[in-house]
Amino acid sequence: GAVVSQHPSRVICKSGTSVKIECRSLDFQATTMFWYRQFPKQSLMLMATSNEGSKATYEQGVEKDKFLINHASLTLSTLTVTSAHPEDSSFYICSAREKGDFWGYTFGSGTRLTVV
Amino acid sequence: AQRVTQPEKLLSVFKGAPVELKCNYSYSGSPELFWYVQYSRQRLQLLLRHISRESIKGFTADLNKGETSFHLKKPFAQEEDSAMYYCALGGTSGSRLTFGEGTQLTVNP
Repeated sequence: GAVVSQHPSRVICKSGTSVKIECRSLDFQATTMFWYRQFPKQSLMLMATSNEGSKATYEQGVEKDKFLINHASLTLSTLTVTSAHPEDSSFYICSAREKGDFWGYTFGSGTRLTVV
Repeated sequence: AQRVTQPEKLLSVFKGAPVELKCNYSYSGSPELFWYVQYSRQRLQLLLRHISRESIKGFTADLNKGETSFHLKKPFAQEEDSAMYYCALGGTSGSRLTFGEGTQLTVNP
């Protein structure tokens, strides 16, 4: 079946630095990738949707200059948290959708970001 | 606007008992509804979707448009069913999924 690899699984960074999270579709071409944020004991909140080769579409309230999303190829999307602050600490999850399967979402295992 | 409500954050049942996880949605168009499951320390995975009308691991869910509900049911819960369950809604106007807050199901021996 479809597999999405997300790295790193955990990262600790200092306040003010930037962190990049990668999301790869291993055995399929992902025309669309989604980035979610999940706070403890809360639901997944969609941050942005990215289509290969075009700019990401951000949800209301999500700072696009802070959360940079790049979807340069059909198998890779990256989320960069720039100038991270402690309030950015969270669990980030990516999801990829295969071309031709409109509702076929495959999720990554998530990245636990801690900003100290 | 799309909205999904899972009224129970925690649900505990005994093994062999029936279980029902509630999900209500709000959407003006024709909805696509899903149940996702997240076992401990594992990634989110699709359990079932309403359009396929299938039964996975003994779970079923019926879309009730009149009550705007998509409750997940299983007649005899097993310990391995213990997990976090999310109801999700997709609208025809786009491909984004809106998730409910999740229900943590615990099946006791």
